Amino acid sequence: QLQLQESGPGLVKPSETLSLTCTVSGGSISSSSYYWGWIRQPPGKGLEWIGSIYYSGSTYYNPSLKSRVTISVDTSKNQFSLKLSSVTAADTAVYYCARQDRARHYYYDSSGHIGYWGQGTLVTVSS
Amino acid sequence: EIVLTQSPGTLSLSPGERATLSCRASQSVSSSYLAWYQQKPGQAPRLLIYGASSRATGIPDRFSGSGSGTDFTLTISRLEPEDFAVYYCQQYGSSPPETFGPGTKVDIK
Repeated sequence: QLQLQESGPGLVKPSETLSLTCTVSGGSISSSSYYWGWIRQPPGKGLEWIGSIYYSGSTYYNPSLKSRVTISVDTSKNQFSLKLSSVTAADTAVYYCARQDRARHYYYDSSGHIGYWGQGTLVTVSS
Repeated sequence: EIVLTQSPGTLSLSPGERATLSCRASQSVSSSYLAWYQQKPGQAPRLLIYGASSRATGIPDRFSGSGSGTDFTLTISRLEPEDFAVYYCQQYGSSPPETFGPGTKVDIK
């Protein structure tokens, strides 16, 4: 059974960089069928897709966050990571890592529907 | 970016009743790349439907999805007590970015 587990600090100071890691167990992050994504949910609010990465290192980011986001993958550890720089209180949210099916378009592939989610980790931005 | 609108915001129904949830896109969703998720308090979302109408593994057949283009529907044929939750639609036909709707809360009448 595939499992995803987020890890990282639960409290980050404003203007600093939020760093989270997702460890995948029960399956290989190097599968050609999936992307690995990050989604967040502010308390009491809806879902926002942050970005995703393929095992080869190819990435897609939400344009609204692109200037501050870096997603990377470490296939040797079966992990992928999120860095979000210059955080503010608006970045306070539950952060989920997820496995996304590969979506095929006419000229490119991208991440698609989300079949597996981590349990989520609350990150609070506060001094 | 495709904007998704869900209606109604809240749906108050009794167990055994039929629930019809709507998701409307600001432009056509290519390849019917639309998914539905269920989220209960304190839990991660759970995939119900992908490709507009394909049920995910282990999802009961009382859940069904339909639609194409800009209009999509999630139907729960007979509500069970465990179905009271928030439901989100997501499009991935035009990405990045993938986008989610604001959610519909189904609560007990």
